[in-house]
Amino acid sequence: EPEVTQTPSHQVTQMGQEVILRCVPISNHLYFYWYRQILGQKVEFLVSFYNNEISEKSEIFDDQFSVERPDGSNFTLKIRSTKLEDSAMYFCASSDQGFQPQHFGDGTRLSIL
Amino acid sequence: DQQVKQNSPSLSVQEGRISILNCDYTNSMFDYFLWYKKYPAEGPTFLISISSIKDKNEDGRFTVFLNKSAKHLSLHIVPSQPGDSAVYFCAAVGFGNEKLTFGTGTRLTIIP
Repeated sequence: EPEVTQTPSHQVTQMGQEVILRCVPISNHLYFYWYRQILGQKVEFLVSFYNNEISEKSEIFDDQFSVERPDGSNFTLKIRSTKLEDSAMYFCASSDQGFQPQHFGDGTRLSIL
Repeated sequence: DQQVKQNSPSLSVQEGRISILNCDYTNSMFDYFLWYKKYPAEGPTFLISISSIKDKNEDGRFTVFLNKSAKHLSLHIVPSQPGDSAVYFCAAVGFGNEKLTFGTGTRLTIIP
């Protein structure tokens, strides 16, 4: 069964540094998403992306965050200047033209020191 | 943000019996609901969904029931198997929206 793949599985970064999280969505999917889960909290929506532009974003997704689909297969989340509170599990998801269901990758654990 | 609530953080069920997981929501704009299962160190895996125009959807051992007037949905797993032990998340989405709003999850343990 096709899968969403995310790399790396664990990223450790110094506060203030830039970090890029990478995702390869399911190949025929058109809608792409990032979510995060801070330890002990809910999974929270960050951003959705369709047709090479952001279609919806949450209040968490401020100017420090950006997304990009640099080629036909990758989907990235960049955090420009990381903060301690950015430590979380980040999940990438994708869906086909029917929007739902969204299929999730196994996540990247981001640890900010 | 408590728009989707799962009030039971954990549930233990004997193997072979029925597992019932509950979810409540407050936002009347939600019109599509999903259940995801999550194992440790893995991402959420889609299980089953239901549109607000239905009150029941069944897929094998999994059945989701929706009570719109009560703003309540439930996931029934029967018979429960040891591999069903995981955290189960309820999620909801509004018409024309894309973002999933998740509940806090219920940890289901199936006792052999």
